[in-house]
Amino acid sequence: GAVVSQHPSWVICKSGTSVKIECRSLDFQATTMFWYRQFPKQSLMLMATSNEGSKATYEQGVEKDKFLINHASLTLSTLTVTSAHPEDSSFYICSASAKGTEAFFGQGTRLTVV
Amino acid sequence: AQKVTQAQTEISVVEKEDVTLDCVYETRDTTYYLFWYKQPPSGELVFLIRRNSFDEQNEISGRYSWNFQKSTSSFNFTITASQVVDSAVYFCALSGSVGYKLSFGAGTTVTVRA
Repeated sequence: GAVVSQHPSWVICKSGTSVKIECRSLDFQATTMFWYRQFPKQSLMLMATSNEGSKATYEQGVEKDKFLINHASLTLSTLTVTSAHPEDSSFYICSASAKGTEAFFGQGTRLTVV
Repeated sequence: AQKVTQAQTEISVVEKEDVTLDCVYETRDTTYYLFWYKQPPSGELVFLIRRNSFDEQNEISGRYSWNFQKSTSSFNFTITASQVVDSAVYFCALSGSVGYKLSFGAGTTVTVRA
């Protein structure tokens, strides 16, 4: 399968700061990327869908001003958690797909806000 | 709306026992895709299988097998002769299209004891 790389794998940040997570498709052009969030011992919930060159579409209840998503190229999408707070501590995972093809997942990023 | 129900929260078995994970789904789409993923403690999602709604054939891959029944909207997963390495959280997921967003079930934690 295709390779999706997510960076960093884990990050600890202070409350009130912002943190950026990168999702890269290494061997294909990802027209669509998805960002999911997983709280401990819970399922994965879709946060937003981003198409290259377009504004992201956020799921209900996800604050678009807090979770900034940029999909500026066909190989890179970023998720920035702004003014992070301890309740934002979670596992964030992206997936990427080319048009009409399978979506592949990154390794995930474990965010801890202290 | 799409919904995936995994009624079993946790299953604990002794090595070499068989274990079956239940998955029931709801969708209004006539074309849809069903998935199973494994999530080991490290967090990454390991793709196990994808099935489209027109293919009801059961599938076997090594010790893994899947039973898809549209009549009962179920897509159950069986691990035969379980091993300790099978210990993980298993997610069933549903998508309306290839490369589209996934709706995940709550997950079933499988613990295989030596």
